[in-house]
Amino acid sequence: LAKTTQPISMDSYEGQEVNITCSHNNIATNDYITWYQQFPSQGPRFIIQGYKTKVTNEVASLFIPADRKSSTLSLPRVSLSDTAVYYCLVRLEDSSYKLIFGSGTRLLVRP
Amino acid sequence: SQTIHQWPATLVQPVGSPLSLECTVEGTSNPNLYWYRQAAGRGLQLLFYSVGIGQISSEVPQNLSASRPQDRQFILSSKKLLLSDSGFYLCAWSGRDHSNQPQHFGDGTRLSIL
Repeated sequence: LAKTTQPISMDSYEGQEVNITCSHNNIATNDYITWYQQFPSQGPRFIIQGYKTKVTNEVASLFIPADRKSSTLSLPRVSLSDTAVYYCLVRLEDSSYKLIFGSGTRLLVRP
Repeated sequence: SQTIHQWPATLVQPVGSPLSLECTVEGTSNPNLYWYRQAAGRGLQLLFYSVGIGQISSEVPQNLSASRPQDRQFILSSKKLLLSDSGFYLCAWSGRDHSNQPQHFGDGTRLSIL
């Protein structure tokens, strides 16, 4: 069964830019890529979604190469409050009618 | 605007007791609904999803069941809880075209089995 792949953890410092990459080799033609943020004991919160190239909103940017087999979430100038787990989400080609969460990346922002 | 409610927020139950967790969505109609479980320090595991009233798909064989008696109501149940049922249960909804619309999550229920 195909799956998404993310780094298990990342460390950063306040004010730095953080880039988290997710691999999704079997993404279907019509699927979007979605990223979530989760704090302890809370439900995941939607961050950003895109289909191709680049998408930017007030909190993040999402970069998607032409082949769409990966995506990179970019968090500019992180703060301590960005410490959380980040998940990428796609519907995989062989997963019928469901969405699959990646393993999640635990980001720790240090002062 | 759309909102999703889950209750209770925390629950402590003895092994062998029944379970009923409820999730309701407001501000939208015909949503896709989902139940996830998250074990401590782990990612989210999809348990059930529903595309309409009475339509339930199970992703993982287990001790739990789900029902959708109304369009915006999704219930997670068990007749006899096991220790392994402990975890953080999350309900989510998405628009009908779910492949392009993000899922939106409730605040979750922390279930502890003693």
